[in-house]
Amino acid sequence: QKEVEQNSGPLSVPEGAIASLNCTYSDRGSQSFFWYRQYSGKSPELIMFIYSNGDKEDGRFTAQLNKASQYVSLLIRDSQPSDSATYLCAVLSGGYQKVTFGIGTKLQVIP
Amino acid sequence: GAGVSQSPRYKVAKRGQDVALRCDPISGHVSLFWYQQALGQGPEFLTYFQNEAQLDKSGLPSDRFFAERPEGSVSTLKIQRTQQEDSAVYLCASSIAGVYEQYFGPGTRLTVT
Repeated sequence: QKEVEQNSGPLSVPEGAIASLNCTYSDRGSQSFFWYRQYSGKSPELIMFIYSNGDKEDGRFTAQLNKASQYVSLLIRDSQPSDSATYLCAVLSGGYQKVTFGIGTKLQVIP
Repeated sequence: GAGVSQSPRYKVAKRGQDVALRCDPISGHVSLFWYQQALGQGPEFLTYFQNEAQLDKSGLPSDRFFAERPEGSVSTLKIQRTQQEDSAVYLCASSIAGVYEQYFGPGTRLTVT
């Protein structure tokens, strides 16, 4: 079982819709959870991180964490074509700052 | 420079050759990370430095991989006797402290033929 699971997609949503990206993790001791965006051929860039159960909002982005279900999600409101990218979920599970990434979900926002 | 830089950006090596990949972190960033990203996969952790100390090298896939950061700034990832399975993008990231605000460099794409 992979430590961090994501559906590779592609996930297609129309412009203006809400995109919902999901991630599950296997280590119950995981401490913090990250969402990165990676455009094709580029390096990952941090969108946001979350470590407490519940929601965390930053602009059009909302991260949701449910530690009991070992589930973290990212909602993108008012999706734009420029949001089309691969979204990587990453989990910090202890040790010296070692994060484990999922495979990433490819998001396509259709104009 | 304003960001993390890596060189070379592209490297083609024949199987069995040694390669050295360089990372220049953002000035003042204490933490430095190396990741390997195969095509269609997420980055995989290789190693972590805090200043010049290599605190975690658990992700290095074999003893052919070696990383150093002797003066706590520039880091080099060396791969000896390259194999085809080493073909990947090697990403370097730095942060002021820890993993919470990592800034990634553009990566070095290594192709082993």
